[in-house]
Amino acid sequence: AQSVTQLGSHVSVSEGALVLLRCNYSSSVPPYLFWYVQYPNQGLQLLLKYTSAATLVKGINGFEAEFKKSETSFHLTKPSAHMSDAAEYFCAVSVPYSTLTFGKGTMLLVSP
Amino acid sequence: DADVTQTPRNRITKTGKRIMLECSQTKGHDRMYWYRQDPGLGLRLIYYSFDVKDINKGEISDGYSVSRQAQAKFSLSLESAIPNQTALYFCATEDRAYNEQFFGPGTRLTVL
Repeated sequence: AQSVTQLGSHVSVSEGALVLLRCNYSSSVPPYLFWYVQYPNQGLQLLLKYTSAATLVKGINGFEAEFKKSETSFHLTKPSAHMSDAAEYFCAVSVPYSTLTFGKGTMLLVSP
Repeated sequence: DADVTQTPRNRITKTGKRIMLECSQTKGHDRMYWYRQDPGLGLRLIYYSFDVKDINKGEISDGYSVSRQAQAKFSLSLESAIPNQTALYFCATEDRAYNEQFFGPGTRLTVL
């Protein structure tokens, strides 16, 4: 079965600083990988996804992630944090004929 | 109007009561899901349905049941609610062509 591990339940950055949220996956077959964002009192929204095309994936709001098979990683980055990026971020993995498995989430805190 | 709607948005009930959470979608997707979110645990899959005649248990189905009344409607029931079912519940639909799930706004359930 596939799984994901998100390193750090909370990450704090200053406005304008680099955002790096870490995700490692485990899968016996080539995976599909996703990052979702949850703003307060809202449902989850897809940020970006990797489905075996380009390894560097660009998403909404300036976020991007790179699929690294050798490191089994799919870390999420943004060059410059904005206050509006404060939210909880979930990494998720699926493989063909399976359901989506979510990580436990990372809360991003952005300070002025 | 929202593509995936959930009712009620908030519910407080007592131990032993039967409760139903409803989900409706206008996206035309065949696949629908119910998840629960607990702090620090991420999202866990309760039940899923790939079409009206297909119902499958997820990771944590004990204590829950579902009904797929139509392509657009997928309800989750707690036959006899208990306090550890206090959580945030999300319904989602899936676009199979793009491997993307779309989430409702969630139902916050409190069992006293």
